[in-house]
Amino acid sequence: SAVISQKPSRDICQRGTSLTIQCQVDSQVTMMFWYRQQPGQSLTLIATANQGSEATYESGFVIDKFPISRPNLTFSTLTVSNMSPEDSSIYLCSVGQGARGYTFGSGTRLTVV
Amino acid sequence: AQKITQTQPGMFVQEKEAVTLDCTYDTSDQSYGLFWYKQPSSGEMIFLIYQGSYDEQNATEGRYSLNFQKARKSANLVISASQLGDSAMYFCAMREGGWTGNQFYFGTGTSLTVIP
Repeated sequence: SAVISQKPSRDICQRGTSLTIQCQVDSQVTMMFWYRQQPGQSLTLIATANQGSEATYESGFVIDKFPISRPNLTFSTLTVSNMSPEDSSIYLCSVGQGARGYTFGSGTRLTVV
Repeated sequence: AQKITQTQPGMFVQEKEAVTLDCTYDTSDQSYGLFWYKQPSSGEMIFLIYQGSYDEQNATEGRYSLNFQKARKSANLVISASQLGDSAMYFCAMREGGWTGNQFYFGTGTSLTVIP
C-alpha cells in the first residue's frame, strides 16, 4: 500500500497567519483527499485534489480559506489561511487504495492561539 | 440520516479479553465497502479491516474480525485478546459507489481503553 509522508506533524500558530501542510506519496495516485478532524470529532472531508485540475470542495469549505495545490501525482499541499482558534484540528491527507480503502498520512495537529 | 452510527462513545475491556465495537450503516447502494480504522493519540489513522458488500465471509485480519450482518446493516469490529496497545479511538467507515467511489463516510468513533 502507498506510504504518505505528511508534515509538519504539529504546529502552534498565531491567529491571522497561514499554515501550509504537505503530503508526499511514494507512488503516483490520481486523487488525494484532505480531511479535518476537530477535537473529539470524526473526520470531515475538506476537498478532493486531482492533479491538473482545481480541487473539489465539500459543502462548508471554500478555496479562499483552504487553498490546495496538486502539482503532480505524488504531492499535494493544503493551506489553512487566516487562522482562528476554531481551525485548531488534526488535518489528514489520504489516498485511495482501490477496493480496500484509504491510506492516511500521519496527520498534522494544529493549534491556533 | 447518519450514514454511519457508532453508539458507544467509550468502551473498557480487560487485557486479554475480547471486545466488540458496534457499527451500523445506512445506504441504498448495492455495492459498498465497510472499514475500520484505529486512531491512537498520535493522530494517525491506521487501517484495520475491510468488508465488501458482496463478500460472503466475514473479514478477518489477525486479532481483528468484522461481524458483517448485511440484513441488519451492521458491521461490528471484534478485537480478540485485547492488548494495552489497543487503547485508541476506533472509527467505522463506509465507501459507497463500488471500489472506485470516493464518497467516504466516517462514524463518530469509539474510544477503547484496555485495562491491565
